[in-house]
Amino acid sequence: GAGVSQTPSNKVTEKGKYVELRCDPISGHTALYWYRQSLGQGPEFLIYFQGTGAADDSGLPNDRFFAVRPEGSVSTLKIQRTERGDSAVYLCASSWTGTGESPLHFGNGTRLTVT
Amino acid sequence: GDSVTQMEGPVTLSEEAFLTINCTYTATGYPSLFWYVQYPGEGLQLLLKATKADDKGSNKGFEATYRKETTSFHLEKGSVQVSDSAVYFCALPAGGTSYGKLTFGQGTILTVHP
Repeated sequence: GAGVSQTPSNKVTEKGKYVELRCDPISGHTALYWYRQSLGQGPEFLIYFQGTGAADDSGLPNDRFFAVRPEGSVSTLKIQRTERGDSAVYLCASSWTGTGESPLHFGNGTRLTVT
Repeated sequence: GDSVTQMEGPVTLSEEAFLTINCTYTATGYPSLFWYVQYPGEGLQLLLKATKADDKGSNKGFEATYRKETTSFHLEKGSVQVSDSAVYFCALPAGGTSYGKLTFGQGTILTVHP
């Protein structure tokens, strides 16, 4: 079956611009996560959705970052006034439930480059 | 806070060699422990897990034992294949959370040559 789909796979933008990154989770998965991975590092948690609501957004680095999941499926990560330090691979993951027993299924990520 | 430390990489082995990738952790209590793997061109996927002390997780010939005495969860495989070439991440639930908010190690790149 289809896995987690992230679009675009690559995004290059200029400093100060606004970007949106999209995630299509596996159908039926209620939990959705965004992570950020810098070169040579492991993924870092950004935000967790259970259904339509953000249950934990403690990993968002500042108020330039925002994410939505209005219908409980597709999610969009939005970054305003991008900075060069935002350059990273943004990963989306989904799971059947929000419990730790339900493994995360990751997408291939969106590589964001801010010039 | 909770943290995971993996052995420095990259690791390069010949086919059929024995593999160990070290992972140690710092956490409150006894959280579940995970190994995730990222094959070239693919997303991260769960390789194996252990939910309590002395548990052994296993999958695809890989094993890891949850050692609370040494706070370790080392990944081992007796005979690696070229197809095992990937990046391996050790992880645990962040801050004692019960959902998929994970703290990952920095990853270990494994390359296996024929």
